[in-house]
Amino acid sequence: GESVGLHLPTLSVQEGDNSIINCAYSNSASDYFIWYKQESGKGPQFIIDIRSNMDKRQGQRVTVLLNKTVKHLSLQIAATQPGDSAVYFCAENFMDSSYKLIFGSGTRLLVRP
Amino acid sequence: DTEVTQTPKHLVMGMTNKKSLKCEQHMGHRAMYWYKQKAKKPPELMFVYSYEKLSINESVPSRFSPECPNSSLLNLHLHALQPEDSALYLCASSPALRGNEQYFGPGTRLTVT
Repeated sequence: GESVGLHLPTLSVQEGDNSIINCAYSNSASDYFIWYKQESGKGPQFIIDIRSNMDKRQGQRVTVLLNKTVKHLSLQIAATQPGDSAVYFCAENFMDSSYKLIFGSGTRLLVRP
Repeated sequence: DTEVTQTPKHLVMGMTNKKSLKCEQHMGHRAMYWYKQKAKKPPELMFVYSYEKLSINESVPSRFSPECPNSSLLNLHLHALQPEDSALYLCASSPALRGNEQYFGPGTRLTVT
């Protein structure tokens, strides 16, 4: 089947270190990918997106890398801060007629002071 | 204004009650969505509206009834729910269906007793 999955359910990092959250997808026809951050009791918050014609996109302290060859997506957070503690979801946009946004299973990021 | 608002924040209802969840956005987005999210799980798509017309129904039971009165409003009518329907219900909107980030509201925490 087609799925969006994450390798690690929980990631613990030291404050100030860089974090890398990974995501695997299996639908080679997907052409749009998004990372969301969800804090406890809140809705998902858009972080960064990338289209399939790009390999890398940078935002403020965040970078998304897309490797279409191995169908892999990653989110890098530089100088991780306590406020980065949350659950992170990757999501992909299928190119079928429904144009659904399908979410991965999520990774919890814990930042140690 | 880049906000999606949802009311109420919390809702407790019995299995024989009828209630409605409301969602509003003033970003001029033409696609609106309802998601259901259980604890420690990613959001699951329920319904998609595009230009005020129902575009996708993810085989949701008829006890959930969506309504899009105008381009800014989205309702979810609830009737005869089951305890397993207890979850966080998220509304989202996007400029269009295809290849756009979805902006999420804070959700309604629903408990069915």
